[in-house]
Amino acid sequence: ETGVTQTPRHLVMGMTNKKSLKCEQHLGHNAMYWYKQSAKKPLELMFVYNFKEQTENNSVPSRFSPECPNSSHLFLHLHTLQPEDSALYLCASSPFDRGNYGYTFGSGTRLTVV
Amino acid sequence: AQKITQTQPGMFVQEKEAVTLDCTYDTSDPSYGLFWYKQPSSGEMIFLIYQGSYDQQNATEGRYSLNFQKARKSANLVISASQLGDSAMYFCAMKGTGGFKTIFGAGTRLFVKA
Repeated sequence: ETGVTQTPRHLVMGMTNKKSLKCEQHLGHNAMYWYKQSAKKPLELMFVYNFKEQTENNSVPSRFSPECPNSSHLFLHLHTLQPEDSALYLCASSPFDRGNYGYTFGSGTRLTVV
Repeated sequence: AQKITQTQPGMFVQEKEAVTLDCTYDTSDPSYGLFWYKQPSSGEMIFLIYQGSYDQQNATEGRYSLNFQKARKSANLVISASQLGDSAMYFCAMKGTGGFKTIFGAGTRLFVKA
């Protein structure tokens, strides 16, 4: 049982749909992250939240909208996506953003945009 | 700019033998951390081991050890006594203690043969 839970595990959506990815952790961590993992590419950091405040937006298109209502929950709202957005979206958490802490990752949401 | 390089796309190892996965890095940050993660086919990234740039000794965690050669900017992962369950993707990652984002290498896929 992972400490970080992501739902749904799989998602197929049309380009005009609106959907949301959910991430939840009860590890007492204060930093949460969204990463995108595409085939044959290194993991790409999308967003960083530290104590509910967004501290990093890695030039992510506005069709991806993150939300962090508290330190335990992180959402990624999706709208008008493109087929190239199909990827594995991984959520992670760590005690703090600064300092050298290993991340705890969720199992990811496999997103397919059709 | 920070960079992580993993030059081995795939590696084969016989069960019960040791294997070394290569990782080189580049950074101008004097203080940084190096990490290795394992990603089985299930998708979840699992944190394996951490090495701080000022640590004098190589990190070890069970069957995992990190061969840290600072002057050569390498941080190779050594897995001893390989098991079939070690078959997975392995990612090297780096983060500066100042808080710059964690960057990942392209990964090495390890196949353990029975």
